[in-house]
Amino acid sequence: DTAVSQTPKYLVTQMGNDKSIKCEQNLGHDTMYWYKQDSKKFLKIMFSYNNKELIINETVPNRFSPKSPDKAHLNLHINSLELGDSAVYFCASGRAGGYTFGSGTRLTVV
Amino acid sequence: AQTVTQSQPEMSVQEAETVTLSCTYDTSESDYYLFWYKQPPSRQMILVIRQEAYKQQNATENRFSVNFQKAAKSFSLKISDSQLGDAAMYFCDPVGTASKLTFGTGTRLQVTL
Repeated sequence: DTAVSQTPKYLVTQMGNDKSIKCEQNLGHDTMYWYKQDSKKFLKIMFSYNNKELIINETVPNRFSPKSPDKAHLNLHINSLELGDSAVYFCASGRAGGYTFGSGTRLTVV
Repeated sequence: AQTVTQSQPEMSVQEAETVTLSCTYDTSESDYYLFWYKQPPSRQMILVIRQEAYKQQNATENRFSVNFQKAAKSFSLKISDSQLGDAAMYFCDPVGTASKLTFGTGTRLQVTL
């Protein structure tokens, strides 16, 4: 019954690898987001999709590529992982009336 | 662009007491929503309360209430009768028509016995 689910919850990988984080929402929302939370807990938006269309793309390296096969899914693919990519990544969905977050994916690059 | 300032990196409150977390923001939009989110150690982001900018009445949700001053662009969160489970990071977030979430740097709230 989880509204916004992210997988995996934890991801440990070596520098240079390519990895993906998946996100699915069953709330019927049109808009989904990816956020990065750094070690100081600061949340920064990365991408936003509305009904499979990219509407927000902040200054994020090209190594990060979101993919939305349908409006219930927004996956995040990261190429050539770097140490600085280590963070917690949150997926969220919603609209102006309210937002729901996934539980986060802790990515550790070693 | 929207900016959010939470000037209190850490706050502490005794159980059963009241604490107020401050938030100021800057936006050029006239119609927007404001949210407070809570992030406990479990890392889950939980919506605490929301306020529509066009409403003058301050939102209340059980022990949580806000003091919304639109002209001053201030949106503080008051937690009454604090409980141990309130210990968490709290994030303020104004959302405009672009539906872009812009979080402050957060306030870590400690609740002591």
